[in-house]
This record gives sequence, structure tokens and C-alpha cells, in this order.
Amino acid sequence: DTAVSQTPKYLVTQMGNDKSIKCEQNLGHDTMYWYKQDSKKFLKIMFSYNNKELIINETVPNRFSPKSPDKAHLNLHINSLELGDSAVYFCASSQDAGGDGYTFGSGTRLTVV
Amino acid sequence: AQSVSQHNHHVILSEAASLELGCNYSYGGTVNLFWYVQYPGQHLQLLLKYFSGDPLVKGIKGFEAEFIKSKFSFNLRKPSVQWSDTAEYFCAAARGNRDDKIIFGKGTRLHILP
Repeated sequence: DTAVSQTPKYLVTQMGNDKSIKCEQNLGHDTMYWYKQDSKKFLKIMFSYNNKELIINETVPNRFSPKSPDKAHLNLHINSLELGDSAVYFCASSQDAGGDGYTFGSGTRLTVV
Repeated sequence: AQSVSQHNHHVILSEAASLELGCNYSYGGTVNLFWYVQYPGQHLQLLLKYFSGDPLVKGIKGFEAEFIKSKFSFNLRKPSVQWSDTAEYFCAAARGNRDDKIIFGKGTRLHILP
């Protein structure tokens, strides 16, 4: 039973399109995150939600909009995709806001052509 | 600003060699420290973590790390690496009040020659 699951695993789309990535965790954790991993493997936090409330919103273009319908789900919607959005997007969850470490999903490789 | 630095971008070792990957952090106050591993094409997995107590932390797969407060360091070690240890290794830190995001270092790519 996968603890943090993301869909889709791969996403290839054209510039200008709008796409969504979904994340679900069955660990009962209160906090969920989106991280972006670029081609150099650098991991940068984008958003964090605690119990459906946005608590971290890093400097991310407003084309990116997270949505948390409940504390087990955190989706990421991206409007007007650009070439620079190509990356691997990881969802993660933790019981508290970082202290215990995260459990990561398997990632979504987004390629914008 | 808080940051995590990993000194080695790419490390190449032969099997059975000893490993030490450097990590320094810049945080004031109490800090929680982590090492994560990412095998090729896979997600990040927690190797070990330090919150308090014994500064020598043992993790999975024979890895250990030592927290040296005076040096702001948390280096990862393994006495004898295997080919299967080929992966990307990330040091990470969060403030110890458990109310902060984890910041990751830029990663060290470890390549083990068979």
C-alpha cells in the first residue's frame, strides 16, 4: 500500500497548456508539500499545507496553484506551461511541519515541449 | 538565511572503499538534520535523522552520520560501499521547533565502480 502516491508518473505536454498533478497520502499526516527537482537534482520547496491550510508559499509563479480538498490530498495545478517548468515534482508529507522528516512520493516527471 | 551546503558534487569510489560525504548547515538554535538517498529514477528515501542525544546516528544500509555542533556539520559515512550505493545523496535540515520546512542541500552524486 503506497504511502504517498502521485499521478501521473510522467506528463508530456505542449507549452501553453494547463495541467494538474495529484497527490494522496494514507499516513494520516497533517502536512503535505510540493517540491520541484530541476535537471541538476536541486530540490526546492514550492508549497506546504497543514490540515488544508497553506503555510508555505515560496517564490513560485502564480501560474502554479496548489489545492488541498482535505488533509490527505494536495494537488498542483499549473497554467500556461512553459519550457522552464520541465522538472520532476515531488509530493511529500510529514506528521508535523518538518521536524520528523518527510515521506516522499515517487515523483511526476513533467516535460514541456 | 538558513542553508545547507554539500561540499562534494560528484564522488567516484571503488567497491569496498570507505565513504564520507560532507554537509554543513547554517541555522541558529536547535536544528534537526537528515540524510536522504535517491536511487536512479526513484524518489527520496530517508537514510537517517538526528534530533538530539547521541551525535553519532546510525541509519539504514550501514550508513551513519556524526553531528558536530561546533563545526555545524553532519557528515555521512559508510565504512565499505557497495555498487548498489550508487545514488544521489541529500543532506537536509529543519529548525528544531518542528514548525519549519526542510531545506535540502544540492546533493552529492555517488558513483560506485564495480
